[in-house]
Amino acid sequence: LAKTTQPISMDSYEGQEVNITCSHNNIATNDYITWYQQFPSQGPRFIIQGYKTKVTNEVASLFIPADRKSSTLSLPRVSLSDTAVYYCLVGDLSNDYKLSFGAGTTVTVRA
Amino acid sequence: GAGVSQSPRYKVAKRGQDVALRCDPISGHVSLFWYQQALGQGPEFLTYFQNEAQLDKSGLPSDRFFAERPEGSVSTLKIQRTQQEDSAVYLCASSPSAPERNQPQHFGDGTRLSIL
Repeated sequence: LAKTTQPISMDSYEGQEVNITCSHNNIATNDYITWYQQFPSQGPRFIIQGYKTKVTNEVASLFIPADRKSSTLSLPRVSLSDTAVYYCLVGDLSNDYKLSFGAGTTVTVRA
Repeated sequence: GAGVSQSPRYKVAKRGQDVALRCDPISGHVSLFWYQQALGQGPEFLTYFQNEAQLDKSGLPSDRFFAERPEGSVSTLKIQRTQQEDSAVYLCASSPSAPERNQPQHFGDGTRLSIL
């Protein structure tokens, strides 16, 4: 799995958009970018996965520039319940099934 | 329930005791994974099963850790002669097929193990 760097923590307020950028300078051709969310006392939950450009689902958007050396997870109009740890993972999941989560980004949403 | 189920949710044991942690994956899921999560850190891989076959146990920290999935569904992680450093949350995950299909892993809520 490629090494990733993401901020340790971010603070936001309800209704704002939260953008978490993950750096992965040594991403390989076959690597995908995957984000997981983890609430306290729960297991990680898959949010979104992408390879290039933009991916959007009902929860978030993932923006990936052409060089793929970074990616940004965008959470629109966050609520208090979006307070969680967000993990960026980069790898070829067909081979790299040993998910390596790192410390993640703790996002705290305030009223 | 449709998700991965783990039991017990909490386990307290005295140092030296043996413990067994259970994982019920999503029905029909081929792949099953165990992870260990220390406080304040991300999960770390322990072992991987494809059906009943344990294909990778490279992450098991010592020979005191043993996992099985005899019928290709329910899995048990056993820790013998527990030590304080074994205190952590143990997470189980499953996915519908073998890893080469590139499908996300679905996690249970874990078992929090505390060794006194």
